[in-house]
Amino acid sequence: DQQVKQNSPSLSVQEGRISILNCDYTNSMFDYFLWYKKYPAEGPTFLISISSIKDKNEDGRFTVFLNKSAKHLSLHIVPSQPGDSAVYFCAASLGEGNKLVFGAGTILRVKS
Amino acid sequence: KAGVTQTPRYLIKTRGQQVTLSCSPISGHRSVSWYQQTPGQGLQFLFEYFSETQRNKGNFPGRFSGRQFSNSRSEMNVSTLELGDSALYLCASSIPNAPDGTSTDTQYFGPGTRLTVL
Repeated sequence: DQQVKQNSPSLSVQEGRISILNCDYTNSMFDYFLWYKKYPAEGPTFLISISSIKDKNEDGRFTVFLNKSAKHLSLHIVPSQPGDSAVYFCAASLGEGNKLVFGAGTILRVKS
Repeated sequence: KAGVTQTPRYLIKTRGQQVTLSCSPISGHRSVSWYQQTPGQGLQFLFEYFSETQRNKGNFPGRFSGRQFSNSRSEMNVSTLELGDSALYLCASSIPNAPDGTSTDTQYFGPGTRLTVL
């Protein structure tokens, strides 16, 4: 049972444009959501997070939007840069024991 | 501040052997979680330790075990290795918020240990 889904395996975007990565979840008890970026042979790097009591959180070029009624969150990267090319994971937490449930990841390619 | 460190970075074992992986959390972080990443199953939660106690466990067989020391360093052990145990094993640390350790704080990951079982 996949509780966190990233339905787009890959996304290709032109440098300078907006990248939008999407994530859906099924468990309404999730109360904290995170986005991680991962390069091959490295551990995930934390990007940005959002609590379920908010609908938007912004940090520089990264903005995460949460739509609780739709059980959907998205990560916007503006403007996209070639260095943003990586695998992006969406993760959700129930807030107990720090267990994170991850999506399958989306490969982002930013073309220069 | 130094990040999460994991040793060794790479490991090759044969079926039936056992292996121990080590994780040192970020200084001051008291919670350590372990994850397994495979191409087929993605990132899956193994277990989480706080104050030397396992608080949460994922859906893995008993061959997978772990422990945490008083300095928050953690080890995980896999016994009777199988080919399917080949994976990247990731450790993550965080600072729990509440006095009882429950938290939604961000987890910071180490570089992982790449285990290959032949």
